[in-house]
Amino acid sequence: AQKVTQAQTEISVVEKEDVTLDCVYETRDTTYYLFWYKQPPSGELVFLIRRNSFDEQNEISGRYSWNFQKSTSSFNFTITASQVVDSAVYFCALSLISNFGNEKLTFGTGTRLTIIP
Amino acid sequence: DARVTQTPRHKVTEMGQEVTMRCQPILGHNTVFWYRQTMMQGLELLAYFRNRAPLDDSGMPKDRFSAEMPDATLATLKIQPSEPRDSAVYFCASGLRRGSGNTIYFGEGSWLTVV
Repeated sequence: AQKVTQAQTEISVVEKEDVTLDCVYETRDTTYYLFWYKQPPSGELVFLIRRNSFDEQNEISGRYSWNFQKSTSSFNFTITASQVVDSAVYFCALSLISNFGNEKLTFGTGTRLTIIP
Repeated sequence: DARVTQTPRHKVTEMGQEVTMRCQPILGHNTVFWYRQTMMQGLELLAYFRNRAPLDDSGMPKDRFSAEMPDATLATLKIQPSEPRDSAVYFCASGLRRGSGNTIYFGEGSWLTVV
């Protein structure tokens, strides 16, 4: 069985500060994807990133960056120079991959991020 | 701009009534998921389909919930009879085959309140 742990339930930072959201996962499979989703106050789930288990390269997209480390089973998410619009609940998730397509997503419990103006 | 479309967006119904939620997955996606989100349980998988065939519906209360894919462009989730504890946000999501992206996209959710 897979498990995703987001130990930080809530984080508050002042605008323009950097913030890192932690994600630790457990799986016995060698082929999987890791995801981050954002859920703003409006409620939808917005895809942010997908990372293949074979690709440990870190990724940067604007103010967002992701640090994937298989050695520690972690996939952490950093927001640089945070903005009020970043306030949301962020979910980390894991999906096994078969030859036929995506398998189900296992979600963490989410981290509620509040950016204080 | 491809997206997963869910209807209704909001539904208030009385206990005992039937509720049907519909989902149009992204064209070409072969895997469709139904998730439920509550404060207590977080995001939990109810069921998912591949090529319209159910793969796993173990998370779904069988006595009152049913999920189907009448065709590749429509997935339905039905609750009959509905109960107050079914109040939640129901998300549909769809994903591509391996080698074609493997990103899972979610709809905007159906917000259900059973009174």
